Amino acid sequence: SAVISQKPSRDICQRGTSLTIQCQVDSQVTMMFWYRQQPGQSLTLIATANQGSEATYESGFVIDKFPISRPNLTFSTLTVSNMSPEDSSIYLCSVYGGELFFGEGSRLTVL
Amino acid sequence: ILNVEQSPQSLHVQEGDSTNFTCSFPSSNFYALHWYRWETAKSPEALFVMTLNGDEKKKGRISATLNTKEGYSYLYIKGSQPEDSATYLCAFRYRDGGTSYGKLTFGQGTILTVHP
Repeated sequence: SAVISQKPSRDICQRGTSLTIQCQVDSQVTMMFWYRQQPGQSLTLIATANQGSEATYESGFVIDKFPISRPNLTFSTLTVSNMSPEDSSIYLCSVYGGELFFGEGSRLTVL
Repeated sequence: ILNVEQSPQSLHVQEGDSTNFTCSFPSSNFYALHWYRWETAKSPEALFVMTLNGDEKKKGRISATLNTKEGYSYLYIKGSQPEDSATYLCAFRYRDGGTSYGKLTFGQGTILTVHP
């Protein structure tokens, strides 16, 4: 199992601004996964954060919009850039060990 | 595009009722089917990971079955309690030689509310 801490837990942001979400894991992991759930939608994978290399983005997600850092084996950040109301979502970081272990999520509301 | 569908979208039951939800997923390139419970303001938590056709798993009052040939899974809750109120998610992992590691396709979830 893994214990994952995320912050902020929630925030209200203005259109056009950017926000960085931090994710800390209590053990060293090679890959971390960032998911998003828009209102009424499924949890969707944004990207895989690999330590020592660039993140791998899923179809429909781009680095300019969701830059990811992975400075070490226990930490990652996801930035949501130039936010619009459509970015209002719950963002979750996770690690995989036969099942996904999630942080508690960051609930962003963009006005 | 992988399609994972859950029904119903939401469900209201009385305490003590038994209930079940359905998850349908692609029947080809199957690797695993996951069930998660997501309570408000908490992390999603894995209930079951199922890999074999015909699998049946149980955890307390909750159980699940798997049919990979026809692409569906059922989650059952016996004697629902108010603390069972949550969103129940299923997620599909496809077989691809390892590149789907950590990459799950989720259904939209079933929101269960158990009334005392």
